[in-house]
Amino acid sequence: QVQLVESGGGVVQPGGSLRLSCAASGFTFSSYGMHWVRQAPGKGLEWVAFIRYDGSNKYYADSVKGRFTISRDNSKNTLYLQMNSLRAEDTAVYYCAKDIGITIFWWGQGTLVTVSS
Amino acid sequence: QSALTQPASVSGSPGQSITISCTGTSSDVGSYNLVSWYQQHPGKAPKLMIYEGSKRPSGVSNRFSGSKSGNTASLTISGLQAEDEADYYCCSYAGSSTLGVVFGGGTKLTVL
Repeated sequence: QVQLVESGGGVVQPGGSLRLSCAASGFTFSSYGMHWVRQAPGKGLEWVAFIRYDGSNKYYADSVKGRFTISRDNSKNTLYLQMNSLRAEDTAVYYCAKDIGITIFWWGQGTLVTVSS
Repeated sequence: QSALTQPASVSGSPGQSITISCTGTSSDVGSYNLVSWYQQHPGKAPKLMIYEGSKRPSGVSNRFSGSKSGNTASLTISGLQAEDEADYYCCSYAGSSTLGVVFGGGTKLTVL
């Protein structure tokens, strides 16, 4: 059974940094691309970033480009999202998700990031 | 990376059918057969209901179906049940320039 467990969320001041992790199990992590998707409180889903199965290519939404970095460690079955220069509008639940053929098939339960002074 | 357009809300009575539309452009929905639909109950993670426009993952009821015409995709739920009340989001591949995906704004389904 696919399991994706996010961690690392919390409260951070504007301008600060945070690193999210996503521990994957139940599938061959190194064979699949992975996404980060976020959802601001009471709002819709927003795609954040995607990384290919081997980490060779990374893609970002315009809203986070230059501030966020997606990465992965296939030896640890873990996906990361390094978030820098955080803004109030980055406040959201962040989900990691498994990709199959450019479709998000499985979602984690999410971790809440709050950017506030 | 503009969001896809969905109606904010739809409603129907138990047993009826409803359809949720999702309008994109010729750069996303219109160019690729890569539209997916997600169901999200309050406080829960989204769940995949339809992928590649009309395919159902294992375990999803055949009351859920998807289609596409031009730049607009649609999700139809037949035989509405109380547990279908949720938010529904469409999603499409956004093209090779970004290799990302774009979501619709979401539709709140109310079962009367």
